[in-house]
Amino acid sequence: DSGVTQTPKHLITATGQRVTLRCSPRSGDLSVYWYQQSLDQGLQFLIQYYNGEERAKGNILERFSAQQFPDLHSELNLSSLELGDSALYFCASSVGGRASAEQFFGPGTRLTVL
Amino acid sequence: TQLLEQSPQFLSIQEGENLTVYCNSSSVFSSLQWYRQEPGEGPVLLVTVVTGGEVKKLKRLTFQFGDARKDSSLHITAAQPGDTGLYLCAGARRDGGSQGNLIFGKGTKLSVKP
Repeated sequence: DSGVTQTPKHLITATGQRVTLRCSPRSGDLSVYWYQQSLDQGLQFLIQYYNGEERAKGNILERFSAQQFPDLHSELNLSSLELGDSALYFCASSVGGRASAEQFFGPGTRLTVL
Repeated sequence: TQLLEQSPQFLSIQEGENLTVYCNSSSVFSSLQWYRQEPGEGPVLLVTVVTGGEVKKLKRLTFQFGDARKDSSLHITAAQPGDTGLYLCAGARRDGGSQGNLIFGKGTKLSVKP
């Protein structure tokens, strides 16, 4: 158990819909990272927040947005969903904000878009 | 363009055999991390290497960072069925700021048969 929690574990929805994935970091960690993992692309970095502020942005689509709240939990919002958005979405957290910081991953949310 | 190339993509061996997986790039990384991921779970950090030429050992696993900090290898001695999983390497870019994130390889899927 990494100490990072993600909900829900599974999500099945239809194209065009909007969903929200939630992540609670390990106690004391200020950084939260979101990743998308698909069979063909592997693990892709989406976005990082550090203490409530956006720190780094990766391959995140404009239809996707995220935020980190004062209690440090984070949400990833996916809208106008397409079939290709079906993937595993992981949240990770670390104490510091540097890329080299040790990241602890949550168990992931499996999103299926039908 | 995949910045980190991992090879082989798949590896199926018998218990007791030795194996090496590789992680190569044309880019220089400030540090490199190795993760193991089991089905349905998030990646778990195994080791971080930061110095060119560095060798780290974790029981039967030996990790090496290339002298130029562009490549790395993971050697497993006397593999066991419990070593089965997806091995991911991830490089931290030296140019932080908006690029301050981990770049993941697509992974090596290892299967160790009893």
